[in-house]
Amino acid sequence: GEDVEQSLFLSVREGDSSVINCTYTDSSSTYLYWYKQEPGAGLQLLTYIFSNMDMKQDQRLTVLLNKKDKHLSLRIADTQTGDSAIYFCAESIDAGRRALTFGSGTRLQVQP
Amino acid sequence: EAQVTQNPRYLITVTGKKLTVTCSQNMNHEYMSWYRQDPGLGLRQIYYSMNVEVTDKGDVPEGYKVSRKEKRNFPLILESPSPNQTSLYFCASSQGLKNEQFFGPGTRLTVL
Repeated sequence: GEDVEQSLFLSVREGDSSVINCTYTDSSSTYLYWYKQEPGAGLQLLTYIFSNMDMKQDQRLTVLLNKKDKHLSLRIADTQTGDSAIYFCAESIDAGRRALTFGSGTRLQVQP
Repeated sequence: EAQVTQNPRYLITVTGKKLTVTCSQNMNHEYMSWYRQDPGLGLRQIYYSMNVEVTDKGDVPEGYKVSRKEKRNFPLILESPSPNQTSLYFCASSQGLKNEQFFGPGTRLTVL
């Protein structure tokens, strides 16, 4: 089935690392994505990882993929107050329909 | 600037009054899609279009119509809106196998 799960809330202090976790159930996912949504704004693609990769690093962002456990994580190093937002993981499983299946989002709160 | 635009951004209407939410992209993308976002449910796909004159249902198409007469535009039509269609709506477009979807800023619809 298609189900993506995330924890609802994460609070960190400025300068610390944040780790946002996601689990998915469909092993046929080809790409997995992280999107950021700031208040009143649309979704911004942060990064993505192809399903045959274990890790991808992009500046302060590190994505880890554990295919055996169907677990995806996003690590934000040196978290800043501007990183406060809702983060969604999503998987792309239907190449024809191109639908993304989203988790319900993790609200990251960064405290000064 | 590459972007997806939606209009209106906010709309309050009454049950049964037909409305259209417009979506336009300037990236020459073939694929476009509509999602609705509801608390605790993430984003769910309503309809999608693989190209001009090619549209199909997503996960939650009931009560919605779309059209794709031109590549850049993909309007969402609610012929007879009902209160359960109160939601935040996003249009998205993408191109290529990586399916990196670019989202519009969202339209918050309230149906009384």
